Amino acid sequence: EADIYQTPRYLVIGTGKKITLECSQTMGHDKMYWYQQDPGMELHLIHYSYGVNSTEKGDLSSESTVSRIRTEHFPLTLESARPSHTSQYLCASTEGSNEKLFFGSGTQLSVL
Amino acid sequence: GENVEQHPSTLSVQEGDSAVIKCTYSDSASNYFPWYKQELGKRPQLIIDIRSNVGEKKDQRIAVTLNKTAKHFSLHITETQPEDSAVYFCAASKGSNYQLIWGAGTKLIIKP
Repeated sequence: EADIYQTPRYLVIGTGKKITLECSQTMGHDKMYWYQQDPGMELHLIHYSYGVNSTEKGDLSSESTVSRIRTEHFPLTLESARPSHTSQYLCASTEGSNEKLFFGSGTQLSVL
Repeated sequence: GENVEQHPSTLSVQEGDSAVIKCTYSDSASNYFPWYKQELGKRPQLIIDIRSNVGEKKDQRIAVTLNKTAKHFSLHITETQPEDSAVYFCAASKGSNYQLIWGAGTKLIIKP
């Protein structure tokens, strides 16, 4: 089924660990996004990509990095996690001139 | 830069009554205005959107109105039901090559 998948769904890690949050979509969308969101609160864009080998930083300053080597895959990496990174991370995608965003189910990250 | 203000932050209405959420945008070049619904623990989903060449759009119990002169748009939900309880986000953009600018969200509570 065409969808956008995020793993893991929940992650609890210790300070200083390196982590990668996975996002894959099977809809063939060229545009992909990472948002940070505290529960029920405002969505903050942290990274986006308009295609393979294209990545940009969003409005929210973030210590994370992303890569886009394949159209369907847009992982987000934190080199050294801190308690301030505790939040929900939502991946989204859309196609070309279509502005409708499809969101993944999110990864709830807790850094102890 | 572009800013979207959303009010109220919390709205509590009796089941069966109507609910109205308002957003104001700052950039007059904005031409696309979507509304997303995020139920507790779920991913945001597009429920309705409107473009600047249209003043109103309806889909069953929900409608969106746009006032370009005043630079505000509103979500109207009639005959509210318990399943309407969620956080609603408005957004604005200048087109598919620009990012969505999000409102802070409105928590809608439907009282039985």
